[in-house]
This record gives sequence, structure tokens and C-alpha cells, in this order.
Amino acid sequence: TQLLEQSPQFLSIQEGENLTVYCNSSSVFSSLQWYRQEPGEGPVLLVTVVTGGEVKKLKRLTFQFGDARKDSSLHITAAQPGDTGLYLCAGNGGATNKLIFGTGTLLAVQP
Amino acid sequence: KAGVTQTPRYLIKTRGQQVTLSCSPISGHRSVSWYQQTPGQGLQFLFEYFSETQRNKGNFPGRFSGRQFSNSRSEMNVSTLELGDSALYLCASSMPIRGRLDPYGYTFGSGTRLTVV
Repeated sequence: TQLLEQSPQFLSIQEGENLTVYCNSSSVFSSLQWYRQEPGEGPVLLVTVVTGGEVKKLKRLTFQFGDARKDSSLHITAAQPGDTGLYLCAGNGGATNKLIFGTGTLLAVQP
Repeated sequence: KAGVTQTPRYLIKTRGQQVTLSCSPISGHRSVSWYQQTPGQGLQFLFEYFSETQRNKGNFPGRFSGRQFSNSRSEMNVSTLELGDSALYLCASSMPIRGRLDPYGYTFGSGTRLTVV
């Protein structure tokens, strides 16, 4: 069974601080995605990474896929209250359209 | 373009009843997946439909079923509702390329919040 563990589970920080969220598995994934979900809404895709070692940047967000394609990280620089939400990583294990979602990291950025 | 539309947004049912949820994917997307989200279990995969056929199925009991129509719209049905079925049910559409995950990922609807009392 493929599992994705995220850490930390909860994070409460002040505006302007930096943070990193980790997504780890013992399984290899062909691609990995990060989503952000706000209360009462569905997750919204932030990025897809497909190559081991790949780094992608989206404004203040930096995403990295591990060399072995088993783990990923999300780094936010100078967090803002608008970054508040549930961050989910999700991996695709093979030639199927089924995503395995991580346990989630709930981020609260205080103004 | 229009997003993924799920109806209804909220639903309250009593134990033992059945419920049908609807999902209209993005135009042109032929794959529709359903997920159950609860605080304790997170997002769990229910099933995926592609071209009116169920391609993948998660580890849920047979009370959970679904179907997809020729216009790619999908419905999921839960029979004999239990209290534990209370959850946010999310539908996601994508346009897989040669069976693999669309590199642009899933587009989720806003979900149907089901409460079983």
C-alpha cells in the first residue's frame, strides 16, 4: 500500500516567516502534485513535478521532488495570511489515473 | 472555461437512506474521479470513470457505487447510509493522456457536504 506522510501536521506562524512542508513515502511515484485547499472548497492544484530532483518555483513557493522520486518538499518564503489553508501532496504511482493523497498540513499565517 | 460542478453542495440524510451525488466535469475532460474527505482519514479514493467505464476502484464497500454518462457527467450513489459516511465528497476531472495522469492534474469541484444523522 502506498502512503504519503506529511509533516508537520499543523503549523501556525507569523506573517513574513519562512516555512517548509515535507511529503515522504517509501514508494516511488511517477509524478507528484501539491494542492491547497481552503475551508468548504475542493483542493486547487499548485504544481506537478515529474522528474527526480526537479525544482519548480511559483512566486514565493518552491517545490522540490526528491532524486529517488519518493519525497517532496514545499517551501514558502515570507508567508502571508493568504497562504493559510490545507496543503496536500498527492502521488501518482503508475499508469493509472489514481492519486494517493498525503495526510495534509494545516497552515495558519497570522497577520 | 467552466469548472467542475458538483450538486448539491449540502445534504442531510438519515441512517438507512440512500443518496445520489452529481458531478459535471470540465468540458472535454473524460475522466472523473471521486474522493471522500474526512478529518480522520483525509482524502480517500473511491473510484474513477473514463468513457463510461469504471477504471479504478478504492477500498470502499459495495454500498458506494457510481456511473458515468456519455456526456462524461458522473453520479455516485451511497445506499444504506451510515453515520460514518458523513464527509465531504469531492469529484475531480482530468484529461488523461494514454492512461497516465494529466500533467496539469486534477480539477476539483467544491464538493458535496453529506451529513448523516
